Amino acid sequence: KAGVTQTPRYLIKTRGQQVTLSCSPISGHRSVSWYQQTPGQGLQFLFEYFSETQRNKGNFPGRFSGRQFSNSRSEMNVSTLELGDSALYLCASSLVTASSTDTQYFGPGTRLTVL
Amino acid sequence: SQQGEEDPQALSIQEGENATMNCSYKTSINNLQWYRQNSGRGLVHLILIRSNEREKHSGRLRVTLDTSKKSSSLLITASRAADTASYFCATIGGTSYGKLTFGQGTILTVHP
Repeated sequence: KAGVTQTPRYLIKTRGQQVTLSCSPISGHRSVSWYQQTPGQGLQFLFEYFSETQRNKGNFPGRFSGRQFSNSRSEMNVSTLELGDSALYLCASSLVTASSTDTQYFGPGTRLTVL
Repeated sequence: SQQGEEDPQALSIQEGENATMNCSYKTSINNLQWYRQNSGRGLVHLILIRSNEREKHSGRLRVTLDTSKKSSSLLITASRAADTASYFCATIGGTSYGKLTFGQGTILTVHP
């Protein structure tokens, strides 16, 4: 099976702009989670989607949003970009069973630089 | 905020030596996972241990879990230069759907 794919791999934006990142999960995986990784804060959970519904959200401002499509592909959007949004954004997919959440498989990430 | 601490923050060893990394967490968990990350790339899943398991092996990896101490360790035996990477533990618990809570990571350098 193909792994998790993320596009684009690199982005450069300026403050105030908005950006949309895309994630395609492993075939058959219905859960997609997003994370932000920065040198200062480490890996932080943004949100999780399952069957087009957001089930969980981390402590990020409303400028960070996401959605999931019927084919399980997911997008996240950051509006009104700030310098501090520069980070590696990672998405992960998992095969969610009825009783537990299993291994998350990560994509290569999108490196966002805000100037 | 991070779930807990990883120890040590950095570890430098020679090829062939064993590397041990420790992870502590704060809340009850369903499972604990270890990941490897090379140079700011994506995370590679190494091993998952469930809360009712105490030890798990995968190749040169051995993971232990002590839920009474809320701690885990990752042992890499006979390390290779290719093992040079950052290693993270991550926990998931309760109804935290899809939310892995990561430690700060251990940077492992294996010298040839």
